[in-house]
Amino acid sequence: GEDVEQSLFLSVREGDSSVINCTYTDSSSTYLYWYKQEPGAGLQLLTYIFSNMDMKQDQRLTVLLNKKDKHLSLRIADTQTGDSAIYFCAEAPRNAGNMLTFGGGTRLMVKP
Amino acid sequence: KAGVTQTPRYLIKTRGQQVTLSCSPISGHRSVSWYQQTPGQGLQFLFEYFSETQRNKGNFPGRFSGRQFSNSRSEMNVSTLELGDSALYLCASKEAGYTDTQYFGPGTRLTVL
Repeated sequence: GEDVEQSLFLSVREGDSSVINCTYTDSSSTYLYWYKQEPGAGLQLLTYIFSNMDMKQDQRLTVLLNKKDKHLSLRIADTQTGDSAIYFCAEAPRNAGNMLTFGGGTRLMVKP
Repeated sequence: KAGVTQTPRYLIKTRGQQVTLSCSPISGHRSVSWYQQTPGQGLQFLFEYFSETQRNKGNFPGRFSGRQFSNSRSEMNVSTLELGDSALYLCASKEAGYTDTQYFGPGTRLTVL
């Protein structure tokens, strides 16, 4: 089974905010990442957060980290139809080289 | 800088054959990792190479192997293909250290018939 858990699906209306949640298990992970995958494409790095931070904001993206609960969220403000994609969170366990452990992905559908 | 490139983008093979996939990392990046993506298992780590040495390996059978060349380009090989090997194979590159960001290529879509 996966060590990183995400809900499968999220549907929002254009202009609304989207919040995608993730729980991870490895407390040694110093970095946590969000990647976006569009149909037929590879993974695009959206943003990442260092484990000593609670929040990181990058334009329309806000990442919140609750290290106690091992919970990570990605908020997309003013969601657009072009944001429709699969979003993956990933943890980077400290003693695993450069290996990333991914969640199963959340499919975001944005309705006009 | 050019991004991570993978060749070929699409590949169709039959069971029992072998296949070699290629990845060229971002210039200056020395770490290359490979991942397999399938609908059932999601994204799974295959292995990582750094300075021509395998540094970490995921839980895959010995039919999956890889190597890295002195220019950091990497290849992965799958021998005796099985239907279940049909997947998107993604390569990721990173400068070197744990704190560096990992960038992914577009992937090679392998279909095994």
